[in-house]
Amino acid sequence: EIVMTQSPATLSVSPGERATLSCRASQSVSSNLAWYQQKPGQAPRLLIYGASTRATGIPARFSGTGSGTEFTLTISSLQSEDFAVYYCQQYNNWWTFGQGTKVEIK
Amino acid sequence: EVQLVESGGGLVQPGGSLRLSCAASGFTVSSNYMSWVRQAPGKGLEWVSVIYSGGSTSYADSVKGRFTISRDNSKNTLYLQMNSLRAEDTAVYYCATHPNWFDPWGQGTLVTVSS
Repeated sequence: EIVMTQSPATLSVSPGERATLSCRASQSVSSNLAWYQQKPGQAPRLLIYGASTRATGIPARFSGTGSGTEFTLTISSLQSEDFAVYYCQQYNNWWTFGQGTKVEIK
Repeated sequence: EVQLVESGGGLVQPGGSLRLSCAASGFTVSSNYMSWVRQAPGKGLEWVSVIYSGGSTSYADSVKGRFTISRDNSKNTLYLQMNSLRAEDTAVYYCATHPNWFDPWGQGTLVTVSS
């Protein structure tokens, strides 16, 4: 099983600042990586697939980079609606998720 | 509009059974990979089971032999039959379509296993 490890567990950021979230795979997943946003009481929402392609309707302030085992999700200027939990997921070999990064208001 | 609506969750005793349903609209269940993904309270996401477009199925080791995924093409609905339930199966269960990334997701249905 490919283990996905996200860091940090919690990120405290002020509105308007940049947030950088990391995701590491236990073995190479190529670019077969997605990012999701989840707000309390809601289902996850797809943000990024293919490591760097934004899903339909996702604002340009969200960007994804990386390949192999190291990936990054960047939110360039945090808006109030961006405070949530973010998960990475690999789909190179079955499907496994990271444990999540909570982005909270500083 | 593509939509998934889960139902069937509830409170069940350890060792009991429950069947979850996921009604789809806007696309054809049988033409897609369909999975169940669960989330224990305050925890992360765990893939549970998939039914491929060809009809074959796969399961996470944690539920293998206890859960069965199926679909009814005439009703465009996905199911998850859960037997021999354990406390650690307590979670919100989501259905989702893929084959790679999961999109869209249903709103989820809560399963609580407790005496």
